[in-house]
Amino acid sequence: DGGITQSPKYLFRKEGQNVTLSCEQNLNHDAMYWYRQDPGQGLRLIYYSQIVNDFQKGDIAEGYSVSREKKESFPLTVTSAQKNPTAFYLCASSSDINSNQPQHFGDGTRLSIL
Amino acid sequence: KQEVTQIPAALSVPEGENLVLNCSFTDSAIYNLQWFRQDPGKGLTSLLLIQSSQREQTSGRLNASLDKSSGRSTLYIAASQPGDSATYLCAVKGSGGGADGLTFGKGTHLIIQP
Repeated sequence: DGGITQSPKYLFRKEGQNVTLSCEQNLNHDAMYWYRQDPGQGLRLIYYSQIVNDFQKGDIAEGYSVSREKKESFPLTVTSAQKNPTAFYLCASSSDINSNQPQHFGDGTRLSIL
Repeated sequence: KQEVTQIPAALSVPEGENLVLNCSFTDSAIYNLQWFRQDPGKGLTSLLLIQSSQREQTSGRLNASLDKSSGRSTLYIAASQPGDSATYLCAVKGSGGGADGLTFGKGTHLIIQP
């Protein structure tokens, strides 16, 4: 079945540590996105990528980094510069840059601080 | 900057009732509007997408309407069932299209009582 796979499901970060969240899609979508969800808040866009080797900052990119070396993969690194990383992270994709097709989401990674 | 508001924040109704969830947005220059469902600890599932030129979309017991000029959308759920219990999120895509992400509301937490 086609879809988006996020791993791990749960992740713990120590002070000063960088951690990387994985996102893989087999939908052959060009566009991919990372969102952050906090309790009682709407989803907020961290980074997005229109195509391989291209990505753009979203509304809350500080303390995060991404790469897009392959069409199917869009990993997110939460760096030590992100002082409040505890949240639910969601990866999504859509078919093309001017898409009126819905975004598809993975099942998320919950990040906590040790 | 686009802002999306969902009312009510929470709703509890007996099984079998018809219900309406509301979504409003501040900038009427949108590309499309999506309704999503989110189960606890899970990602988002797309329910309906309404393009800016459309007035409504239907899928089974769900009907979503869009009044772009007034900045409003409603999600109508007919003959509600306990399995409909979830958080429902509304999101808009800006009129620039492109691969920028969606702007989300905070959601309506729906409980259907058996």
